[in-house]
Amino acid sequence: EADIYQTPRYLVIGTGKKITLECSQTMGHDKMYWYQQDPGMELHLIHYSYGVNSTEKGDLSSESTVSRIRTEHFPLTLESARPSHTSQYLCASGGLAGLDTQYFGPGTRLTVL
Amino acid sequence: KNQVEQSPQSLIILEGKNCTLQCNYTVSPFSNLRWYKQDTGRGPVSLTIMTFSENTKSNGRYTATLDADTKQSSLHITASQLSDSASYICVVSDRGSTLGRLYFGRGTQLTVWP
Repeated sequence: EADIYQTPRYLVIGTGKKITLECSQTMGHDKMYWYQQDPGMELHLIHYSYGVNSTEKGDLSSESTVSRIRTEHFPLTLESARPSHTSQYLCASGGLAGLDTQYFGPGTRLTVL
Repeated sequence: KNQVEQSPQSLIILEGKNCTLQCNYTVSPFSNLRWYKQDTGRGPVSLTIMTFSENTKSNGRYTATLDADTKQSSLHITASQLSDSASYICVVSDRGSTLGRLYFGRGTQLTVWP
């Protein structure tokens, strides 16, 4: 099993709250990713990072922001949550080599009321 | 447009039976194709990864095939178990960027009944 962790696993909050979803990995991977997944739908890349101080937006536009101050840590922040942000958020990491597998965390199920 | 299409959308089989899941893709240029298993409420876990030159790869009871000419892949599950109940996701990577962009299918939801 991969050493990548996400907290919290489940979060129910009210509209307008600021939230941070935590993701950490102990594999020393340079690449880290955030995906958004709605039930029965494909994963959509919303943010990625090649390494410390590197962050890029993914394919799906997202109002969230990320930071990469340490290799092992890649938190995602929503400044003001809205019901449209309700979704599952999956964090993943992988090495720099082209065929490296992406290892996924267990996900955070976010519900905004 | 780069796309990954999976079929069937859902499948129910009895424990002990075999099944085959399909994946068609239009991703170009092609780098590799991966099959992931995603249990409900969990993150995907890699089952197999195949490059252009590989046409079959096994991982226990899971066997993936790849036909790069027709841009099709299949995942065959042998002697299914209740624990095989999950969503199986086909993921294709392109060579078009240093990121190795991944294109995800919507998955096939497999349910194994006792």
